[in-house]
Amino acid sequence: SQQGEEDPQALSIQEGENATMNCSYKTSINNLQWYRQNSGRGLVHLILIRSNEREKHSGRLRVTLDTSKKSSSLLITASRAADTASYFCATDEGSSGGSYIPTFGRGTSLIVHP
Amino acid sequence: EAQVTQNPRYLITVTGKKLTVTCSQNMNHEYMSWYRQDPGLGLRQIYYSMNVEVTDKGDVPEGYKVSRKEKRNFPLILESPSPNQTSLYFCASSLAGEEKLFFGSGTQLSVL
Repeated sequence: SQQGEEDPQALSIQEGENATMNCSYKTSINNLQWYRQNSGRGLVHLILIRSNEREKHSGRLRVTLDTSKKSSSLLITASRAADTASYFCATDEGSSGGSYIPTFGRGTSLIVHP
Repeated sequence: EAQVTQNPRYLITVTGKKLTVTCSQNMNHEYMSWYRQDPGLGLRQIYYSMNVEVTDKGDVPEGYKVSRKEKRNFPLILESPSPNQTSLYFCASSLAGEEKLFFGSGTQLSVL
């Protein structure tokens, strides 16, 4: 199955700044999710946006979805050092016949400097 | 506490020595899956299971086996490990029909 692609691969910012990362995918989807991974640890679900939604918020997170461009963005506002992690998008591109097979991108590595 | 438990956390082995990585979830999830994570390649799915006794191949199943005899457990078996299976492995689970995955803490495997 085709992977989504996050952009940029790495992002380095100062505490208090906003961080924006993007995800592009290749085929039609029903939903897109964002996950966070602290170094070497398991992924943690952040937010899910469905194909009929354009924007979704959760605390300091804002996710947008543009199905015409096959892309999504994750915005973290007022970043903190604790936001330092890798962020992955996952789509259901690989799913078929009732089986849910999430397809993950390669991730964006975010470093927030205190 | 709801969780996915993987063991061991770290494993060093030699080529050809069979090993099993265990995965257990306490959330009564129907769906379970295994991923490997390699630098620059992201997460790639190895196998998944929609329910007990139902398993299917993911993107990179070669060299791996799984079984799902009980709903809570989904072990990953490497019958004859090779160095190219050195990787960070994750087990994940979810409720049927829900997309949100719960991940284990990972198993770092090194095959010498």
